[in-house]
Amino acid sequence: RKEVEQDPGPFNVPEGATVAFNCTYSNSASQSFFWYRQDCRKEPKLLMSVYSSGNEDGRFTAQLNRASQYISLLIRDSKLSDSATYLCVVMKTSYDKVIFGPGTSLSVIP
Amino acid sequence: DGGITQSPKYLFRKEGQNVTLSCEQNLNHDAMYWYRQDPGQGLRLIYYSQIVNDFQKGDIAEGYSVSREKKESFPLTVTSAQKNPTAFYLCASSIAGLTYNEQFFGPGTRLTVL
Repeated sequence: RKEVEQDPGPFNVPEGATVAFNCTYSNSASQSFFWYRQDCRKEPKLLMSVYSSGNEDGRFTAQLNRASQYISLLIRDSKLSDSATYLCVVMKTSYDKVIFGPGTSLSVIP
Repeated sequence: DGGITQSPKYLFRKEGQNVTLSCEQNLNHDAMYWYRQDPGQGLRLIYYSQIVNDFQKGDIAEGYSVSREKKESFPLTVTSAQKNPTAFYLCASSIAGLTYNEQFFGPGTRLTVL
């Protein structure tokens, strides 16, 4: 089993739609969780960190379920500019390597 | 402006040649990382370094080598032993020791081995 798995996608949604991505991780000792965004042929950039209490940043909401070892990202009112690949990232400790999931591709259609 | 630079953006080499990819950061970060990304794939960790003069192998270190003689620099050498070197190579850095530490990425180098 891979250490971090994501919905395979691609997701093709109309503008204004709500879309949710799921991510599971295998190591229960993992402590830190993130969502990164990667545009086509560009470097990844941090979208948001995922805290135990869940967190929201504008149209984006991230949730963490430690019991199920599951992370989610919800995007409301999708914009064309949201089209990208979304990477789930997990880290066991601050001195450990960072593990990236394979990514889920999103295309927002006019 | 603080950030990470990688050079060159595109690199072409003949099979059997070693090639060194540059990565420099002026963010005063202790930790630096090298990743490889193949088309339609996620990032795979090649090597990482938490401190100067120390580095650890990642998941796919075979055929690669690194050095960390300076805090700002973490060059990656792709040797002729790497079977399929054509890929997108990304360098990143972060503050070491924080539970939530953002990784900052350079723009990447696209290596093509002919």
